Amino acid sequence: SQQGEEDPQALSIQEGENATMNCSYKTSINNLQWYRQNSGRGLVHLILIRSNEREKHSGRLRVTLDTSKKSSSLLITASRAADTASYFCATDRRLTGGGNKLTFGTGTQLKVEL
Amino acid sequence: DSGVTQTPKHLITATGQRVTLRCSPRSGDLSVYWYQQSLDQGLQFLIQYYNGEERAKGNILERFSAQQFPDLHSELNLSSLELGDSALYFCASSASLNTGELFFGEGSRLTVL
Repeated sequence: SQQGEEDPQALSIQEGENATMNCSYKTSINNLQWYRQNSGRGLVHLILIRSNEREKHSGRLRVTLDTSKKSSSLLITASRAADTASYFCATDRRLTGGGNKLTFGTGTQLKVEL
Repeated sequence: DSGVTQTPKHLITATGQRVTLRCSPRSGDLSVYWYQQSLDQGLQFLIQYYNGEERAKGNILERFSAQQFPDLHSELNLSSLELGDSALYFCASSASLNTGELFFGEGSRLTVL
């Protein structure tokens, strides 16, 4: 089952516009991560936000986390055609056996048009 | 390039067969994860190994098994294959037991006919 649900499922914008993707999850987490996947390729880590953080920036990326609402958002500013990809949130939950489980959401397909 | 190597890149086989997918983690990474990605199920966590030991288990079928060897490479064995096993199988690695950033390979695309 999916821990995270991204919204919207698909997003189409013009180059230069901002893109916002949202993620909701169900259980308590240690951290939340965002990944990017170009079609049929491996996932690439973008940013990690810990459960005690509320906002984090990395270049053109801004991530927020609201643990009371169990939600996160990813903002990509001044989008480029090269940002076209699927974006996934992933929640990291520590397991009692000492391992951990990173559970991915359903993803948002972003298309940035010239 | 993430530093994680997966082979084979593509694999076509028949129902009932058995295949082995191989993963070499990034140099120095002790933790290996296996994920399955399909259109209907999305990205599903299968299993995690750390320094040769199984540490976390997800939605891995009994027909599937994995192991991590002393040189830290890992193999995912899929047996009695069904049409529904067709998917992209990803391996990822991380330096520590408790995640942080995962580095993904390019995946092995399995097609079961």
